[in-house]
Amino acid sequence: EVQLVESGGGLVQPGGSLRLSCAASGFTFSSYDMHWVRQATGKGLEWVSAIGTAGDTYYPGSVKGRFTISRENAKNSLYLQMNSLRAGDTAVYYCARDGAVAGTMDVWGKGTTVTVSS
Amino acid sequence: QSALTQPASVSGSPGQSITISCTGTSSDVGSYNLVSWYQQHPGKAPKLMIYEGSKRPSGVSNRFSGSKSGNTASLTISGLQAEDEADYYCCSYAGSSTFYVVFGGGTKLTVL
Repeated sequence: EVQLVESGGGLVQPGGSLRLSCAASGFTFSSYDMHWVRQATGKGLEWVSAIGTAGDTYYPGSVKGRFTISRENAKNSLYLQMNSLRAGDTAVYYCARDGAVAGTMDVWGKGTTVTVSS
Repeated sequence: QSALTQPASVSGSPGQSITISCTGTSSDVGSYNLVSWYQQHPGKAPKLMIYEGSKRPSGVSNRFSGSKSGNTASLTISGLQAEDEADYYCCSYAGSSTFYVVFGGGTKLTVL
């Protein structure tokens, strides 16, 4: 079964850091681009980052310079290092597989919750 | 990049058809045939329903269809069922000089 399982969420103070992980199984992880997408409570989806199979990385302006996406193919794992966290970063963070069509996310995890508060 | 524009809510009765619009610009929806649609039930992860504007993944009901005209994409659900009540999000590739993805604000579908 194709599956993505996020972990690492929690409560962090403003200005702090957190590292999210996403464990992939049931498919050849190294062959797929991957994404992180977040959703604040009661709000819509927001694309946070993407990483290609060659390790190329992409971010929107809202997180560029603060967040770093990475992958470890040997461990079938995706990561999101989040620094200089702000209250506005509070959200459920989903990892998603890119379905070989740019920007199409065909498999999603259940998400992990990040709360930034003092 | 700004979010794509969707109506906040739509509604319909069982058996009817509804259409959700998704308006972007010539830099995203208008430039690429790479619009996808996601269904999200409360407390659940999003689910891919349409990709490349009009293609359905395996297992998605043929009651769901997608189309595009200019800078506006549309999702049509025919033969509405109670289980279709959910939030729906459009998404478009928007990369010109770099990879970029933009979502719509989401539409709440209520089945009356």
